[in-house]
Amino acid sequence: KAGVTQTPRYLIKTRGQQVTLSCSPISGHRSVSWYQQTPGQGLQFLFEYFSETQRNKGNFPGRFSGRQFSNSRSEMNVSTLELGDSALYLCASSLGGLENKETQYFGPGTRLLVL
Amino acid sequence: AQSVSQHNHHVILSEAASLELGCNYSYGGTVNLFWYVQYPGQHLQLLLKYFSGDPLVKGIKGFEAEFIKSKFSFNLRKPSVQWSDTAEYFCAVNGGDTGRRALTFGSGTRLQVQP
Repeated sequence: KAGVTQTPRYLIKTRGQQVTLSCSPISGHRSVSWYQQTPGQGLQFLFEYFSETQRNKGNFPGRFSGRQFSNSRSEMNVSTLELGDSALYLCASSLGGLENKETQYFGPGTRLLVL
Repeated sequence: AQSVSQHNHHVILSEAASLELGCNYSYGGTVNLFWYVQYPGQHLQLLLKYFSGDPLVKGIKGFEAEFIKSKFSFNLRKPSVQWSDTAEYFCAVNGGDTGRRALTFGSGTRLQVQP
């Protein structure tokens, strides 16, 4: 079974631009979560999508948004990029059942550099 | 809010030495606990998890962890490390009774095993 895939793997943008990152979950997984990883703040939860609806949201500004499609693929968008948005963005998928006693499987991440 | 503390930021061991990495969390309710590992250049992988039951959990590659509820701890152990265990280790928790799937991560411990 193929793992979580993320595209693109690397991105370079300039301040003020916007960016869209894509995540394809493991087949059969309906929950997709996004995390930001930086050296200073570590791994932080951005949001979770299930059945095309945002189910949970972390403490990030409104410039960070996401969506999920009917095939469970998810995208996240960051508008008006700032230097501090430079990070590794990780996507994780899980079955998404009512109970949260399940494992989240992580993708390789998209490394975003904002100049 | 949940928080996770990993007290050891950088650990250097010789091969065959024993390993114990500390993890403490703050959360009053029931929790699900995880240890993830990130090998150089690779994505986050699950080492082991605790949902309920036997507090001593065995994972992959000879790792184990013990959940001590009274101490809010979930320390990771391995009796004899190998050079291939060189990686960054993350402890994570999500709220068992809130239904929140979002993982709160510790800051990570970088383990360097010298041959």
